Amino acid sequence: GAGVSQSPSNKVTEKGKDVELRCDPISGHTALYWYRQSLGQGLEFLIYFQGNSAPDKSGLPSDRFSAERTGGSVSTLTIQRTQQEDSAVYLCASSLEAGFGGAFFGQGTRLTVV
Amino acid sequence: KNQVEQSPQSLIILEGKNCTLQCNYTVSPFSNLRWYKQDTGRGPVSLTIMTFSENTKSNGRYTATLDADTKQSSLHITASQLSDSASYICVVSARGNEKLTFGTGTRLTIIP
Repeated sequence: GAGVSQSPSNKVTEKGKDVELRCDPISGHTALYWYRQSLGQGLEFLIYFQGNSAPDKSGLPSDRFSAERTGGSVSTLTIQRTQQEDSAVYLCASSLEAGFGGAFFGQGTRLTVV
Repeated sequence: KNQVEQSPQSLIILEGKNCTLQCNYTVSPFSNLRWYKQDTGRGPVSLTIMTFSENTKSNGRYTATLDADTKQSSLHITASQLSDSASYICVVSARGNEKLTFGTGTRLTIIP
């Protein structure tokens, strides 16, 4: 596609439910990044993929968070047993190769846990 | 601890005026610094990226400067337009580390 695409754009879920967020990076971009932006806070790094492998998962806030990437393309971020503090905008970014921290961002998924 | 601080937190200026946004960082070892523009409800868009050896870079009406000795950067916007209203985020990456350190941004509002 022309840009990084994320879906859904908005998600409201009940506390305790699982959610899955999707990211379609720019075609050909081998590096993919997930960030979280909480209200009034800066962007927080979660995880990055080089191809299908995730060399750095240290930003994931708890074991309720996981992410995978298949075919070197689409990535999904899964949050299990959501909590209210998980409410944030989740941003995905991609770049041609690692070393640029994700030059192109998607529009984000706004997650609200009620 | 790696940190990026931006100032001012918010800024309101008249259309057509210039402004300068500041970024101070403590990220080490330094790799590169970039400025992003984030419109409300949208993902950040890269404006400039500078490495250690670069001390100025322009992108249209946007000019970024970098002083790696004092660990400071500025983003200068010339002849502001209403469409410049957005959050401007300073992002610094450490060498050999894919984690970026983000500032909390400066909220810029341009008024007619």
